[in-house]
Formats: sequence, C-alpha cells, structure tokens
Amino acid sequence: DAGITQSPRHKVTETGTPVTLRCHQTENHRYMYWYRQDPGHGLRLIHYSYGVKDTDKGEVSDGYSVSRSKTEDFLLTLESATSSQTSVYFCAISSDRGDNSPLHFGNGTRLTVT
Amino acid sequence: KQEVTQIPAALSVPEGENLVLNCSFTDSAIYNLQWFRQDPGKGLTSLLLIQSSQREQTSGRLNASLDKSSGRSTLYIAASQPGDSATYLCAVSTGNTPLVFGKGTRLSVIA
Repeated sequence: DAGITQSPRHKVTETGTPVTLRCHQTENHRYMYWYRQDPGHGLRLIHYSYGVKDTDKGEVSDGYSVSRSKTEDFLLTLESATSSQTSVYFCAISSDRGDNSPLHFGNGTRLTVT
Repeated sequence: KQEVTQIPAALSVPEGENLVLNCSFTDSAIYNLQWFRQDPGKGLTSLLLIQSSQREQTSGRLNASLDKSSGRSTLYIAASQPGDSATYLCAVSTGNTPLVFGKGTRLSVIA
C-alpha cells in the first residue's frame, strides 16, 4: 500500500469551530489531493497541490483552505465548520498529473459537524 | 465539463458468474481512465489504468476496455468471488485537470 496516513480518522466538532485534517505521505509524490465523498454525489475534488506551496482549487473549494509547506504533508482546514461539511474526506497522491500514474488514496477521515 | 456515469448503481450476481461494469463519459478527449475498488470504510484502491492510446488493460481476472470514440469503458470480472464484493468506480483524466469520478457501482457477489 502507498504510504498515506490521514489524521484524525474520526472527528466530531461543533458548527463554527475551525478544523484541520492532515495528510502525510512517505512516497515523495509531487501531487496531493483532497476529496470529499458524500452519498449521491460521489467523490468531489476540494483542493489539490502540485508542489510545495503550490495549490489550486477544485470543484467544491468554498469554505476550505489548504497548505503544503513540505512535500510530505498536505493540510485541509475548515475555517468555520458547517453541517454541510459533514462528510468523509480522502487524501490522495500521485507521482504525476493526468499522466501514467495511478492515484493512491488514504483511508479517509470521517468528519461530523453538529 | 466532463461528466462520468456508471450504470447500474448496484448489481448482485451469484458466485462464479462473469460480469461487466459500465462507465461512460461525455468528453472523449481523455488522457487516461482509471478503475478503482472501494471496500466499506476504506479508501479507493487503484485496479487498472488505461491510457488514451490503449484499448484494454488486464490484471488477473480483471479486464478493462476503453472506446474513446463512443465515450465508454467496461470492467470485466471473470469468475466472480464473494471477495469481489465492493464498490467499483471509474475516473477519467483530461490531461491538465484532475480526475473526474463516477458515482460507482456497488457489486455484491453471493456465495
């Protein structure tokens, strides 16, 4: 399995509080992604990174920010959590973007906003 | 905007049956297509990646085909087993944009 660790695995938080999810990889891959998975919507891209300090928005970026200060770590922050952000969040990595490199996923973080 | 559709949403088959999962996409200018497997409570596991120049890829009992002109891909599973029960997702890349995922087909193989 690709070396991807997401933390925490589960979190319950209250509306309006800030939340940070962490993704750590040991593969030295250049590209890292944050997805959310919801019933009826499937997987949707939130933000992605193509290098240290290089990030871009995905399909559902509103209410989320990211940071990548080191190759191995990609942080997702919910500045002020809302109930609509209750979801399962997946981090993924790839060695290249859109090329012959498969995407490898972490085991996810289940976030509940009450 | 690329859209990916997987039909049916759920499928139940008896053990030993050969089966086909379908994936269709609206923009045929794809870079590659990937098939993933997801077990309950887990992340996605990459099964097969087909480049746009390829027609198919095989791994063990799995065979994925790609027809860009018709915007379709199929995942063929031979001699299905209960351990194949999972959700199967396809995703397409159009080069400089991240993958777009279908919503998946939930497969149940009954012993």
